[in-house]
Amino acid sequence: QSALTQPPSASGSPGQSVTISCTGTSSDVGAYNYVSWYQQHPGKAPKLMIYEVSKRPSGVPDRFSGSKSGNSASLTVSGLQAEDEADYYCSSYAGSNNFVFGTGTKVTVL
Amino acid sequence: QLQLQESGPGLVKPSETLSLTCTVSGGSISSSYYWGWIRQPPGKGLEWIGSIFYSGSTYYNPSLKSRVTISGDTSKNQFSLKLSSVTAADTAVYYCARHFPPGPSFDYWGQGTLVTVSS
Repeated sequence: QSALTQPPSASGSPGQSVTISCTGTSSDVGAYNYVSWYQQHPGKAPKLMIYEVSKRPSGVPDRFSGSKSGNSASLTVSGLQAEDEADYYCSSYAGSNNFVFGTGTKVTVL
Repeated sequence: QLQLQESGPGLVKPSETLSLTCTVSGGSISSSYYWGWIRQPPGKGLEWIGSIFYSGSTYYNPSLKSRVTISGDTSKNQFSLKLSSVTAADTAVYYCARHFPPGPSFDYWGQGTLVTVSS
């Protein structure tokens, strides 16, 4: 199984929105509504931000939203704040009790 | 509050077996969750290694399956990872985490532990 494809970087000014894509195949992202998104600050463990494509765990601001179309999923961060600067990873169920992560996207707040 | 803590050697020689333990506090590994291992080579992305269900069933990344064993010890509320025949490519920060079925929803993570493979 290959890693899901994400753009290496994305950026936006405070208050703006940034959208990160996550492209897989018909065997993972396209086949299941089990896509998660993680935020990781330097030296820290990842934090679950979105699960099952668009659900937010308790405590995650509603500025974070997820969606999916075909073999691609997206994470949108609205109203960018300085603390949103981090690496973001998507992950998908790939069938047969397998999971695959994305390549990661570094988000910079300008 | 659920907490996970990885422990084990920080240095492993090539061809030997990497062994790590994750101790869970504030909750039981016998609950209806999955308990998994994820690794991250320095400066690189995340890779799922495998998971164990509370029933004892295990699931492994196909690319690592031949070298990985995950087991649980309910009496100590711990689960463990063994990765055999390691090489420098296995150098990474290793995380343990809880996830809920059916997707890759890892909601509680340990702080991670760096394991370096070197002679």
